Amino acid sequence: AQKVTQAQTEISVVEKEDVTLDCVYETRDTTYYLFWYKQPPSGELVFLIRRNSFDEQNEISGRYSWNFQKSTSSFNFTITASQVVDSAVYFCALSEAGGGGNKLTFGTGTQLKVEL
Amino acid sequence: EADIYQTPRYLVIGTGKKITLECSQTMGHDKMYWYQQDPGMELHLIHYSYGVNSTEKGDLSSESTVSRIRTEHFPLTLESARPSHTSQYLCASSEGQFTDTQYFGPGTRLTVL
Repeated sequence: AQKVTQAQTEISVVEKEDVTLDCVYETRDTTYYLFWYKQPPSGELVFLIRRNSFDEQNEISGRYSWNFQKSTSSFNFTITASQVVDSAVYFCALSEAGGGGNKLTFGTGTQLKVEL
Repeated sequence: EADIYQTPRYLVIGTGKKITLECSQTMGHDKMYWYQQDPGMELHLIHYSYGVNSTEKGDLSSESTVSRIRTEHFPLTLESARPSHTSQYLCASSEGQFTDTQYFGPGTRLTVL
């Protein structure tokens, strides 16, 4: 069975600090996909990134970067120079290619608070 | 940018009432999903659909039912609401492949008194 663990329940930082959100996953499949979503206070889930298990290249998008390491089954998310608008709950999720339907398994989320 | 809509955004209702939560998408996506998000933030899949006239139950047992008569529309119905149904309900859609990205609507926050 697939599982996603986000051990950090809540993180508080001061604006302009860098912050890393951890995500560790478990799966028996060799082909799988990893996602990060952002949930601001308004409630909707906003898609941030999708990576497949064959692509271990790290990715950078503006202040956001993602570090995918199959050896440690981790897909961590770093925000550089955090801003108050980054305050949200961030979810890591896993989808196995062989599953029925789309078995998107979410972690329990990390609440990020960025203060002035 | 996803075009997926949910109404109402907020609903407060008394026990025993029948309610329908609406979800519509304009992207022509085949697959649609309903998730329930409890106060502890964890999301659980309660229903999904591969396409018109297809519906399946998700991982979390739910007393709600769904229908998929049109590609763009995936309503969720509770025949008799109870306080235990108080939660946020999120609708999502994706293209035909199983591993395609799911795009979410803004959610419906339901409170049953």
